[in-house]
Amino acid sequence: DVKVTQSSRYLVKRTGEKVFLECVQDMDHENMFWYRQDPGLGLRLIYFSYDVKMKEKGDIPEGYSVSREKKERFSLILESASTNQTSMYLCASSTASGRLRNEQFFGPGTRLTVL
Amino acid sequence: AQTVTQSQPEMSVQEAETVTLSCTYDTSENNYYLFWYKQPPSRQMILVIRQEAYKQQNATENRFSVNFQKAAKSFSLKISDSQLGDTAMYFCAFKRIQGAQKLVFGQGTRLTINP
Repeated sequence: DVKVTQSSRYLVKRTGEKVFLECVQDMDHENMFWYRQDPGLGLRLIYFSYDVKMKEKGDIPEGYSVSREKKERFSLILESASTNQTSMYLCASSTASGRLRNEQFFGPGTRLTVL
Repeated sequence: AQTVTQSQPEMSVQEAETVTLSCTYDTSENNYYLFWYKQPPSRQMILVIRQEAYKQQNATENRFSVNFQKAAKSFSLKISDSQLGDTAMYFCAFKRIQGAQKLVFGQGTRLTINP
């Protein structure tokens, strides 16, 4: 089974802090994604990566950056956390080939609260 | 740009009833994928069912089936013989075949199955 894990289920940070959210997948997937989930807005793509050291902006990249130094790990960074970044953050991964290439596998999510 | 709309924020039915969740989308693409994802309370998002736009036959997975109307750009999910474990947020999602691997999600429908 594909397993996507995220470093924390719940996180509380203060305004202005630098925040790191970590995601690890164990299926050698090429593609990795960071979404944020807000009530009434569904999931919105922040950033994605299709290879090590490669990244692409999603629909709402402002205030975020990402890092992918190893294939299995994709980090989301909030350089200076703000209250409007309080949200649920979901990581996902997918393979670029084969029967499952169109399916994204999701982590459990990190609920981040910025005070 | 593609958009996905779920017009039912919440739905509630009795156990064993049949329920249909609505989804419409907008795209200029001719070939694409559509998905329904399920997010149970405090649990990971999982894929329920997928549909390739070039296939006319509606996809089915056990108690879950879709009504795909390509011309109307409609993609509804029918859950037959609903069970308490079907209680979850349901998200409709769109994916292009070519280009970026990202999903575009609808706003979600919170479905509650009552005993």
